[in-house]
This record gives sequence, C-alpha cells and structure tokens, in this order.
Amino acid sequence: GENVEQHPSTLSVQEGDSAVIKCTYSDSASNYFPWYKQELGKRPQLIIDIRSNVGEKKDQRIAVTLNKTAKHFSLHITETQPEDSAVYFCAAGWWNDYKLSFGAGTTVTVRA
Amino acid sequence: EPEVTQTPSHQVTQMGQEVILRCVPISNHLYFYWYRQILGQKVEFLVSFYNNEISEKSEIFDDQFSVERPDGSNFTLKIRSTKLEDSAMYFCATQAGTVYNEQFFGPGTRLTVL
Repeated sequence: GENVEQHPSTLSVQEGDSAVIKCTYSDSASNYFPWYKQELGKRPQLIIDIRSNVGEKKDQRIAVTLNKTAKHFSLHITETQPEDSAVYFCAAGWWNDYKLSFGAGTTVTVRA
Repeated sequence: EPEVTQTPSHQVTQMGQEVILRCVPISNHLYFYWYRQILGQKVEFLVSFYNNEISEKSEIFDDQFSVERPDGSNFTLKIRSTKLEDSAMYFCATQAGTVYNEQFFGPGTRLTVL
C-alpha cells in the first residue's frame, strides 16, 4: 500500500516568515495530494490540494508543489500568522481508490 | 455551509463492550469513509463505503468492525467487542463522488476503552 512520509514533525517559525513542509510517497500510481489543517480538538480541514497533472498550485499565502519523478510534494506557507498554528497533514490518493493515506503530521507554531 | 456531523463526541466504554459511532453525511455525498487517529499519531484509513457496500477496508478493519447505512442517511461504525487499543479519535468523512473531490471530515468521536 501507499506510504506517506512527512517532515518535519514540528516546525516553529517567526510570524511573517515562511514555513515549508515536505512529504514523500511510495506509490507512483497516486495522483491526488491534499493538505489538511487540524486545529487543536477540531476536524481536519482541506486547505489545498494538487493533482498529478500539475506541478504547482497557489492559493493566496499557501502553495503546493509536486515532483512526480521524485515522488515528493511540499506545502509552502508565506507570511505566516499566529492563526496558521496547527497540525498539518499531507495525504496521497488515486482516482480508482478514494481512500487517503496520511502523513504523520507537522505541528506548526507561529511565534508572535 | 453543510457539514458532516458525528455522535457522540465522546464515548467511554468497557473493554469487550459494543459501541456504535454515528455519522450524518452531507446530503448529496455518495462516498463515505471512516478513519481513526490514535492520540498523537497519523490519521489512518479504516474503510470506504459506496452504493451500500464496502469498497475497501484496511488491515485494521477486522471482523470486529462493521459499517452500514441503516436508514439511508446515517452512516455507522460498529465495534463489536472493544479492545484497549481501539481507543482513538474516529473520523467520518464524506465525498460528493466525482474524482478528486474533497473529503469533508466530521468533528470526530473520541472513543475511550477502559
């Protein structure tokens, strides 16, 4: 099955700086890569996703890049704000099998 | 905005007891999932459900687990004889059905097995 590795496990950044989280996946058939944000005690919520037919996607301060050859994808958060503090999970899936395989999560702390 | 709801929010049970976790999907969604998250660990896939049958299940989803949509709306996860290691947060997720559509997660049920 799919195995998703996520690094780092914790990330502390100064407000206004950028945060980068990296994930690798094992199954070359995976073609859908969402990122979820989970605030303490709350449900995971999708913040951005990317499909295998594009290499980069951006939504305001959040961007995701995908390198299919290397089987890795990354989340970039620019101009971090205190409300960005949360646990971020990457995941991988593919069209014929909708289940998602999640990474272990990255706890992001934005210092004011 | 429609949301997935789950009940109860917290369930405490004795080892060996049966529990039923309930989920109300977003109304037009067709694909349903259960995931679990042991405290401090990653979210793990348990089972997917479509057209009133299981599409896929993980190794975690053994004979002690079952799912159903008893009334065509609620989506339930039953654990027949709970074990200590079943203690986790259980998330229901639903999806509209088109390829690549977002999976919407419910708020979770925290299951504590004593």
